[in-house]
Amino acid sequence: QVQLQESGPGLVNPSGTLSLTCAVSGASINHNYDVWWSWVRQPPGKGQEWIGEIHHSGAANYNPSLKTRITMSIDTSRNQFSLKLNSVTAADTAVYFCASGSGYTWVDWGQGALVTVSS
Amino acid sequence: QSALTQPPSASGSPGQSVTISCTGTSSDIGAYNHVSWYQQHPGKAPKLMIYEVSQRPSGVPDRFSGSKSGNTASLTVSGLQTEDEADYYCSSYTVSRIYVFGTGTKVTVL
Repeated sequence: QVQLQESGPGLVNPSGTLSLTCAVSGASINHNYDVWWSWVRQPPGKGQEWIGEIHHSGAANYNPSLKTRITMSIDTSRNQFSLKLNSVTAADTAVYFCASGSGYTWVDWGQGALVTVSS
Repeated sequence: QSALTQPPSASGSPGQSVTISCTGTSSDIGAYNHVSWYQQHPGKAPKLMIYEVSQRPSGVPDRFSGSKSGNTASLTVSGLQTEDEADYYCSSYTVSRIYVFGTGTKVTVL
């Protein structure tokens, strides 16, 4: 089974850039052509929001509501993928999960990383 | 793309059944069978319970079942157990090639 682990700063200044990395273990990130690697966030006490997904080929799909502020990348040599979200505000405060799956669903999830936007 | 609509809460006694609805549009739930359900306990990551409307991953009890009619999907938990008390979220792929989640339902076992 695939294990996912998010890492990154827990506190980001308003207007700054949120950066998170998801380390993948238990499988090679490019082992299965059908797998997409995703980011999902959940503001405190609220529901989830899909941020986007990236394929090991580098192809990516983003949530249109965040598209202008997102950059996703994948590093097959380090078996990890990353998220950058710029121009953050308090509304971006959330638990950020990385997840993976194929077939339009997510089977494996990281434990989540709380990122707070505050000065 | 708006969130899918779920009832805020549902409840039942141990052994009873509870059904949660997830209402979308012809652009998401009504367009594809790519509907999933996730269980989330407080402070934990979501766990996949149902995918492709009604398929159960290995290890998920057959007490959990899913269905769909038109633009509404449903999750039924039969034979409620105390460990089923959690938040449940639906998700769907959309014609815009993005994913949308439901608003979430808190299931309480009385």
